[in-house]
Amino acid sequence: EIVLTQSPGTLSLSPGERATLSCRASQSFSTTHLTWYQQKPGQAPRLLIYGASSRATGVPDRFSGTGSGTDFTLTVSRLEPEDSAVYYCHRHEASPAFGPGTRLEIK
Amino acid sequence: EEQLVESGGGLVQPGGSLRLSCAASGFTFSDYWMYWVRQAPGKGLVWVSCIFQDGTTTTYADSVKGRFTISRDNAKNTVYLQMNSLRAEDTAVYYCSRGGFTHSLDVWGQGTTVTVSS
Repeated sequence: EIVLTQSPGTLSLSPGERATLSCRASQSFSTTHLTWYQQKPGQAPRLLIYGASSRATGVPDRFSGTGSGTDFTLTVSRLEPEDSAVYYCHRHEASPAFGPGTRLEIK
Repeated sequence: EEQLVESGGGLVQPGGSLRLSCAASGFTFSDYWMYWVRQAPGKGLVWVSCIFQDGTTTTYADSVKGRFTISRDNAKNTVYLQMNSLRAEDTAVYYCSRGGFTHSLDVWGQGTTVTVSS
């Protein structure tokens, strides 16, 4: 079973700064199946990135995904207050798994 | 507009049963895998179960295997989650989601809350 870990647990940054969120897998897997989701309080998750680096429809280009193998990164540039949320990475394969999430706070 | 609407949540005693429903609209339901994902209070997302387009293949997380059953009715554009032998640790918001062609969960419902307590 592939386990996903995310770091940091919480990230506190100011508007205009850049956030770098990490997702690490216990075993390598295809980038095709790596996705990122954003969840704001009281809301359902929202797909941000699929295939490790492709933005979902309507997602601003401030959000970008990179990585392969076991190490993946979500970068959020030019932070805005509305980016405050929990971000989850996810392996979309048989027995799908989510990472524990990174809470991004915009001061 | 592509939409998923869950229903059927509520308060149930330990050992009890509940059936969740998720009604889909705005897309060809039978073309997609469908998923259930849950989130315990203050916790992260956890995959629960998924079902193939025609219902012939189902998969479950170990934590619910043998207690939960996923099914679908493509004529009604609805996916179900029958939950039996419920435990306190099953308390969560249950989300229905669509398995998109991009190997992602690309459409989500608003969730339905299940509380298991005496």
